[in-house]
Amino acid sequence: EPEVTQTPSHQVTQMGQEVILRCVPISNHLYFYWYRQILGQKVEFLVSFYNNEISEKSEIFDDQFSVERPDGSNFTLKIRSTKLEDSAMYFCASQAANTGELFFGEGSRLTVL
Amino acid sequence: DQQVKQNSPSLSVQEGRISILNCDYTNSMFDYFLWYKKYPAEGPTFLISISSIKDKNEDGRFTVFLNKSAKHLSLHIVPSQPGDSAVYFCAAREMNRDDKIIFGKGTRLHILP
Repeated sequence: EPEVTQTPSHQVTQMGQEVILRCVPISNHLYFYWYRQILGQKVEFLVSFYNNEISEKSEIFDDQFSVERPDGSNFTLKIRSTKLEDSAMYFCASQAANTGELFFGEGSRLTVL
Repeated sequence: DQQVKQNSPSLSVQEGRISILNCDYTNSMFDYFLWYKKYPAEGPTFLISISSIKDKNEDGRFTVFLNKSAKHLSLHIVPSQPGDSAVYFCAAREMNRDDKIIFGKGTRLHILP
């Protein structure tokens, strides 16, 4: 069964450093998403991506964040200058066009020290 | 502004009994609802969905009921099994907006032996 894969599974970084989280979505899906979950809190929408551009983004997704799909397969989330409050589990998801169902990756845990 | 609300952070149910997880929403433009299940350290996995043109959808032990007038949906699990212990997220999508799915905060379900 096709699946969404994310790397790294866990990244520890110093505050102010740049971080890139990578995702390989399911190949025939059209919409791609990043969500995050701060420990003990809800799953929060960050951004959706369609047709090689951002379709929708939340208030959390400020100028420190960017997404791209550079080679048609990888879908990346970049945090330019990490803050302590960026520590969270980041989930990538891709969406089946016909059912609208989101398929999530296993998540990348980001720890900012 | 919580458009999707799961007011019970946790729920304990005896094995073999029915588990009922509730979800309320405020946005009348939502037309498609989904339930996801999440184990610790894993990404959410899709369970079941319902379109706003229906009031019930059943898949094995899982049934989702939608009451549009009350803006309320519920997930019933019958009979509850130990493997059902997880966090359950209710999610919703606006009409013609494939690019954004809003999640509730989740309800942690404990199945007691």
